[in-house]
Amino acid sequence: DIQMTQSPSFLSASVGDRVTINCKASQNINRYLNWYQQKLGEAPKLLIYNANSLQTGIPSRFSGSGSGTDFTLTISSLQPEDVATYFCLQHNSWPNTFGAGTKLELK
Amino acid sequence: EVQLVESGGGLVQPGRSMKLSCAASGFTFSNYGMAWVRQAPTKGLEWVATISYDGSSTYYRDSVKGRFTISRDNAKSTLYLQMNSLRSEDTATYYCTRENWAYFDYWGQGVMVTVSS
Repeated sequence: DIQMTQSPSFLSASVGDRVTINCKASQNINRYLNWYQQKLGEAPKLLIYNANSLQTGIPSRFSGSGSGTDFTLTISSLQPEDVATYFCLQHNSWPNTFGAGTKLELK
Repeated sequence: EVQLVESGGGLVQPGRSMKLSCAASGFTFSNYGMAWVRQAPTKGLEWVATISYDGSSTYYRDSVKGRFTISRDNAKSTLYLQMNSLRSEDTATYYCTRENWAYFDYWGQGVMVTVSS
């Protein structure tokens, strides 16, 4: 199975900060990497697909980059409504595997 | 508007069975692969199973192979997950999700399954 190592596991930042979250795959997954946001008590929401494509309706402050084994989710200017847990998901091969999550809180 | 509504969860004893359903609307169900993803309490997300748009192909994580069966009824726009020989480690919120080529784009609100005596 492909292991997804996500970092950091916890992040505290201020409104307006630039925030980056990383995912590293244990083997090449090309660009089949997606990012999800999950707020407390809610279902996950797709933010970024295929490493760098912004899902319809998602604010442009969210962006993704990377290919192969190393990927990054960036929030260019943190907003209060961005408080959530963020997960990466590799969709390159079975079983699809998620990162362990990054819990983002406001400082 | 795409909607996915899960049902059928609850409390079940170890070793027993349970069947989850996911009613889909707002899109042409028969055009998309579908999947189940679960999340144990206070834990991360875990892919469970996927079924192709026409039901001809299915994929499972190792820990549920031989115990869970994913299926679909395209005439009813409904996805199912038959879970047999349930274990305490199957306790989780189960999400139904639409597979759009190489990503899961829409998710239901989830249904809780608790396996306990």
